[in-house]
Amino acid sequence: GAVVSQHPSRVICKSGTSVKIECRSLDFQATTMFWYRQFPKQSLMLMATSNEGSKATYEQGVEKDKFLINHASLTLSTLTVTSAHPEDSSFYICSAGGTAHNQPQHFGDGTRLSIL
Amino acid sequence: KQEVTQIPAALSVPEGENLVLNCSFTDSAIYNLQWFRQDPGKGLTSLLLIQSSQREQTSGRLNASLDKSSGRSTLYIAASQPGDSATYLCAVSGNTPLVFGKGTRLSVIA
Repeated sequence: GAVVSQHPSRVICKSGTSVKIECRSLDFQATTMFWYRQFPKQSLMLMATSNEGSKATYEQGVEKDKFLINHASLTLSTLTVTSAHPEDSSFYICSAGGTAHNQPQHFGDGTRLSIL
Repeated sequence: KQEVTQIPAALSVPEGENLVLNCSFTDSAIYNLQWFRQDPGKGLTSLLLIQSSQREQTSGRLNASLDKSSGRSTLYIAASQPGDSATYLCAVSGNTPLVFGKGTRLSVIA
């Protein structure tokens, strides 16, 4: 089946550091990938839609200059949390699948980001 | 705006029991509904996907139903096992990307 790999699985760093998270589709091409954030005991909230070869589409309330998304190839999207602060600490998960909303999404294992 | 609600928020059952998890959504114009499992600190594992034209899907001990007109879905787990302990998330797809519920945290006690 379709596999999505996310790296790293855990990051602990100091406030002010920029952190890059990678999301790869291992056995299929994905023109669209999605980035979610999940706070403890809360649901997944969509942050942005990553589009290969074009700019990402951000959800309302998500700062595009804070969360930089690059989708440079059909198998890789990256999310960079710039100048991270403690309030950015969260669980970040990516997904990839069909471009149409009626196609199933496959999720990475997530990245636990802790900013000290 | 689509909203997804899952009841109960948490559930604890003895091993061997059959159980039902509930999911409701406010906008019935959906393409599909997915049930996921999430283990603590982990990503999501897709369990079942029901297209809007379908009424149910089965996989092993799991059975998911969909009543699109009433905005409801149930996930039935038969003969529960301790290994079923996890958070179960329901998500719907419509004209927007997936919208998730907050999940039901299931504990199956041996």
